Amino acid sequence: DAGVIQSPRHEVTEMGQEVTLRCKPISGHDYLFWYRQTMMRGLELLIYFNNNVPIDDSGMPEDRFSAKMPNASFSTLKIQPSEPRDSAVYFCASSLGGDGNLNEQFFGPGTRLTVL
Amino acid sequence: KNQVEQSPQSLIILEGKNCTLQCNYTVSPFSNLRWYKQDTGRGPVSLTIMTFSENTKSNGRYTATLDADTKQSSLHITASQLSDSASYICVVSGVVDSSYKLIFGSGTRLLVRP
Repeated sequence: DAGVIQSPRHEVTEMGQEVTLRCKPISGHDYLFWYRQTMMRGLELLIYFNNNVPIDDSGMPEDRFSAKMPNASFSTLKIQPSEPRDSAVYFCASSLGGDGNLNEQFFGPGTRLTVL
Repeated sequence: KNQVEQSPQSLIILEGKNCTLQCNYTVSPFSNLRWYKQDTGRGPVSLTIMTFSENTKSNGRYTATLDADTKQSSLHITASQLSDSASYICVVSGVVDSSYKLIFGSGTRLLVRP
């Protein structure tokens, strides 16, 4: 398996533009997680899905952020409108089973977002 | 307040030496504790996962310990190699409002020099 795939790897955009990040989880995994990492705040969980259904989105910073998982092999994280403070590395991770089952999360390579 | 604190923030050691990274947490109730290794420019990779009933878990040259009574964990790296240079993140999982929450430490940045 190719692991978790994220695209694009790098994104540079201007303030106010819409940004869409994409993730393909490992085939067969039923949990998908979106994280954000910055120097100031470290790694933060934004939202996670189980069987394509959002379970906990309490980490989503504000209404400008939205995430969808239309099927088991694809998820998007959208920021609209984007702001400079959204600049960060966004990671997607997937696992077979949730945290309660102690299953390992496999992370993608991340998308480095820069909002000018 | 649920918190995870790691120390030191950064560490430089010579190749071949051992080192120990610390993680203290106040997350309650506690579910499990994980150590991740993150190379520069890459996603984190899981090293160990431990529940409250486990005291020690090893993964090659990495050994994690857990004291659930004092809410402390450590990650010991034996015979360090240049490839061990990375950030090491401690993550504690607990049940908050009937759902699992992941509380992340800020990480320890390790540099192994030849």
